[in-house]
Amino acid sequence: GQQVMQIPQYQHVQEGEDFTTYCNSSTTLSNIQWYKQRPGGHPVFLIQLVKSGEVKKQKRLTFQFGEAKKNSSLHITATQTTDVGTYFCAGSQNTGFQKLVFGTGTRLLVSP
Amino acid sequence: KAGVTQTPRYLIKTRGQQVTLSCSPISGHRSVSWYQQTPGQGLQFLFEYFSETQRNKGNFPGRFSGRQFSNSRSEMNVSTLELGDSALYLCASSFGTSGTTGELFFGEGSRLTVL
Repeated sequence: GQQVMQIPQYQHVQEGEDFTTYCNSSTTLSNIQWYKQRPGGHPVFLIQLVKSGEVKKQKRLTFQFGEAKKNSSLHITATQTTDVGTYFCAGSQNTGFQKLVFGTGTRLLVSP
Repeated sequence: KAGVTQTPRYLIKTRGQQVTLSCSPISGHRSVSWYQQTPGQGLQFLFEYFSETQRNKGNFPGRFSGRQFSNSRSEMNVSTLELGDSALYLCASSFGTSGTTGELFFGEGSRLTVL
């Protein structure tokens, strides 16, 4: 079945440093979503990418969808302590239905 | 508007018992998905319901079942509980329009502990 892996599993940075998490799917995706889960919280939607090679920015966050639509990345510039949490990518195959396969997640810790 | 509501928030059961979890989606959302979250396995897809029909199912044993009512509220049931069923069960709702994969709105989850 479809698998979505993320690396790294965990990263600890100093405030102000950059951070990147990578997401790789075993199958071609129709679209990919990113979610953030704060400690003790629930996943919150960040963005959805649909087109091959698509790049979207949200303030300090930059999201990319690979040309082959099998990988994606999230880059955070100049991290802040509020960025702490686990970042999940979630991919959907070309089924047209709401079956999202979540990646393994990258836990980010930011020290002041 | 109100978010996704899950009840109960916490519960403790013993092996062999069964449990029913409830999820009320955001008003107007017709799709409800259930996920199991554990430290070791991450977020695992259980099933998705749309207009009272199960559209997708994950790779869980038949002990895990669900249903959706005409008002889009959903329940999931786990029978013959095992220790490994201890997890956070998350419900997510969305518009669920066929042909698209929209944003999921998650509830706070039901944390199940099996002793």
